[in-house]
Amino acid sequence: DQQVKQNSPSLSVQEGRISILNCDYTNSMFDYFLWYKKYPAEGPTFLISISSIKDKNEDGRFTVFLNKSAKHLSLHIVPSQPGDSAVYFCAARRTTSGTYKYIFGTGTRLKVLA
Amino acid sequence: DARVTQTPRHKVTEMGQEVTMRCQPILGHNTVFWYRQTMMQGLELLAYFRNRAPLDDSGMPKDRFSAEMPDATLATLKIQPSEPRDSAVYFCASGIPDGYSPLHFGNGTRLTVT
Repeated sequence: DQQVKQNSPSLSVQEGRISILNCDYTNSMFDYFLWYKKYPAEGPTFLISISSIKDKNEDGRFTVFLNKSAKHLSLHIVPSQPGDSAVYFCAARRTTSGTYKYIFGTGTRLKVLA
Repeated sequence: DARVTQTPRHKVTEMGQEVTMRCQPILGHNTVFWYRQTMMQGLELLAYFRNRAPLDDSGMPKDRFSAEMPDATLATLKIQPSEPRDSAVYFCASGIPDGYSPLHFGNGTRLTVT
């Protein structure tokens, strides 16, 4: 039962254009959402997050959008750079449950073409 | 810059052998997680500890996997006996998940069971 889904295994984007990575979740009790970036042979590194009281959070070239009614979040990277080529994981958790689980998706491999 | 440290980085072993993976969480982090990366499941949660106490190991095959945290600076994941299907990258992560805060990952142990 995959509670966090990333339906696009891969995405290719031209350098300088926008990259949009998508993530869907099934548990309406999730209230904290995160994006991680992973390079080969390294662990995932935290990129940006958003709590359910917001619908947008921005950090430089990275913006995360949350649509609670659709149970959908997206990560926008503008402009995309070759160094952004990596696997991106979205994650979600329920902060009020008394558990501390972070549930991850299957990842989307982004390739930014120079 | 504080980091989660995992050893070994790579492990090749024969089917039936015992494998032990180690993790040193970031000092002060009270919650430690073990994840396994597979192509199909993405980052799959195996087990986690809070204040060294095991809170959830429902993601682990109980008959062969065990996780312990003998002290605040060391978490271990053991597989005995190992099987080829255990081949994957195993990540340790630590954090202080009280509210909205991210996890920090180590660089993983790549396990190959032949």
